[in-house]
Amino acid sequence: DAGITQSPRHKVTETGTPVTLRCHQTENHRYMYWYRQDPGHGLRLIHYSYGVKDTDKGEVSDGYSVSRSKTEDFLLTLESATSSQTSVYFCAGRGLNGNTIYFGEGSWLTVV
Amino acid sequence: TQLLEQSPQFLSIQEGENLTVYCNSSSVFSSLQWYRQEPGEGPVLLVTVVTGGEVKKLKRLTFQFGDARKDSSLHITAAQPGDTGLYLCAGVISNFGNEKLTFGTGTRLTIIP
Repeated sequence: DAGITQSPRHKVTETGTPVTLRCHQTENHRYMYWYRQDPGHGLRLIHYSYGVKDTDKGEVSDGYSVSRSKTEDFLLTLESATSSQTSVYFCAGRGLNGNTIYFGEGSWLTVV
Repeated sequence: TQLLEQSPQFLSIQEGENLTVYCNSSSVFSSLQWYRQEPGEGPVLLVTVVTGGEVKKLKRLTFQFGDARKDSSLHITAAQPGDTGLYLCAGVISNFGNEKLTFGTGTRLTIIP
């Protein structure tokens, strides 16, 4: 058990609507990450956080925002969902001195 | 831009055979990790290699980090159906105390009983 829980696990939404994916961790990880996984692209970093209220952009951040108001929770928001954002989203966490990244089980998002 | 290229993208072999998966980049990494991912789950870390030329063994799996820390390989001996899964390499780049992980494109391995 990686101690990382994502919600919702599955969601279908309409184009243009805002969507928020939640990541909750119980391991006091300092670093947290949001990735998306698509065929042929592997896992691509969207945003990451290196502490409460400290976040930075990854390689595919356009159309996404994040917030981390407390250590345990890292939220990913799609401001106006598009079909290109249909994907599997993974949250991950890492401790301050650890090199192991622990992943959640993924959130399947379909934008129609 | 994909910094890490894995090959082959798909591999299907018979149980008992040996195989090697490659992970290549033009970038230098401070360390490199290998993950395995099962359907419907997140990736799980198998190993981290840190030193150029380092070799690590995990039962029938042998991981090697290239001398220049730009590439890596995963060799599986006597493959078993339980080895089936998506194998991902990930390069770690440290930048002013922050570490970023860049994942390869993945190799989907199927072991046929």
